[in-house]
Parts: sequence; structure tokens; C-alpha cells
Amino acid sequence: QKEVEQNSGPLSVPEGAIASLNCTYSDRVSQSFFWYRQYSGKSPELIMSIYSNGDKEDGRFTAQLNKASQYVSLLIRDSQPSDSATYLCAVNDVYGNKLVFGAGTILRVKS
Amino acid sequence: EAGVTQFPSHSVIEKGQTVTLRCDPISGHDNLYWYRRVMGKEIKFLLHFVKESKQDESGMPNNRFLAERTGGTYSTLKVQPAELEDSGVYFCASSQVGTDTQYFGPGTRLTVL
Repeated sequence: QKEVEQNSGPLSVPEGAIASLNCTYSDRVSQSFFWYRQYSGKSPELIMSIYSNGDKEDGRFTAQLNKASQYVSLLIRDSQPSDSATYLCAVNDVYGNKLVFGAGTILRVKS
Repeated sequence: EAGVTQFPSHSVIEKGQTVTLRCDPISGHDNLYWYRRVMGKEIKFLLHFVKESKQDESGMPNNRFLAERTGGTYSTLKVQPAELEDSGVYFCASSQVGTDTQYFGPGTRLTVL
């Protein structure tokens, strides 16, 4: 079983819709969770971090964390073509502070 | 403020040759990390420096890889001799001590022929 799992996609949504990206993790004691966005050939860019159960909103982005279910998600409201990218879920390794990444979900927003 | 920079952006070498990758972290960031993404796989941790000290090198694949961070500023990652399976994108990231937000560089795409 992979430590951090994501559906590779591609996830296609129409412009203006809500995109929902999901991630599960295996280490129950993980404490820090991150969503990175990566455009092709570019560096991963941090868009959200979340540490507590519940929702965290930042502009059009909402991260949701459920530690009991070992599940973290990212919602993108009013999706724009510029949101088309690979979204990487990452979890902080509790034995250090290295990040464990999922393989990423490709999001395509169609205008 | 400048972000994390990496050099070169691309490198193509023959099997058996040596390649050295460089990372300049964000100024003031004592934590420096190396990660690697091989084709079709997820980004994987290689090692972590705090200033010039190796804090965790559990992800280094074998002794053909040598990382240094002399003076606690920039870091180099040397692969010697390179093998075909070393091809991939090597990312560097940095963070401030006491925080877990890591900022990534653009990566070096290494191709070993």
C-alpha cells in the first residue's frame, strides 16, 4: 500500500465548476498536510496547508481534513483554465520533517 | 526575495559519467531538502540538511550519490557514476527552522543515456 494515494486522473471539469481532489494517507499519526500545484516543467507551488480536522478556506481553495478517515481533500471553486495543473498531496513524515508525496492528480479545466 | 534556484535546469550525460547538481535555498533557510521524481512515480525524499549537517539521508538510493552543503548555504548533489535509472527530475526545497512549509525549486531534469 502506498503511503499517500491520489487518483491520477485526469479530472476534467468545465470552467466555473467545483473541482474536488482527494487524497488518502496510511500513517495514522501524520500531523501536517499540504497541497502543492505543479504546472508542467515548473516547481511545485504550495497552495494550502492544513493541520486540524475540518475545513480551511483560502480564496477559491478549501482544504478538508478528516484524520479519523485518513483523508484530505482540496476543493477549487469557480475553476478556471489557469487551474489546469497537477495537484500534489503531501504529508509530513512524523519521524522527521520530510514530505511524503502522492503521485498527483492531473486537473483539466475546460473553457 | 529570490526563491529556491537550481542549476542546471537540464543535464544529459552518458552512463558512467559524473554529474553535479546545485541548489541555492532561499536566503535564511537553514533547512534544505533534496527530492527526486523518476518517470511515472511520485516525488521521493532523498535527504535533509540543517545548515551544513545531514539530518536525514535515509532516502539516498546508494553510495553513488553524494550530497554536500559546505558552509550551510548552497548544496550540491553529485552522482558518480551515473546509471540509467538515475534519470528523473531532482528537486531542491528549503524551509526555515521551526516551520514545515517547504518551498521548492524548479528542478533539474537529468537524463542518463
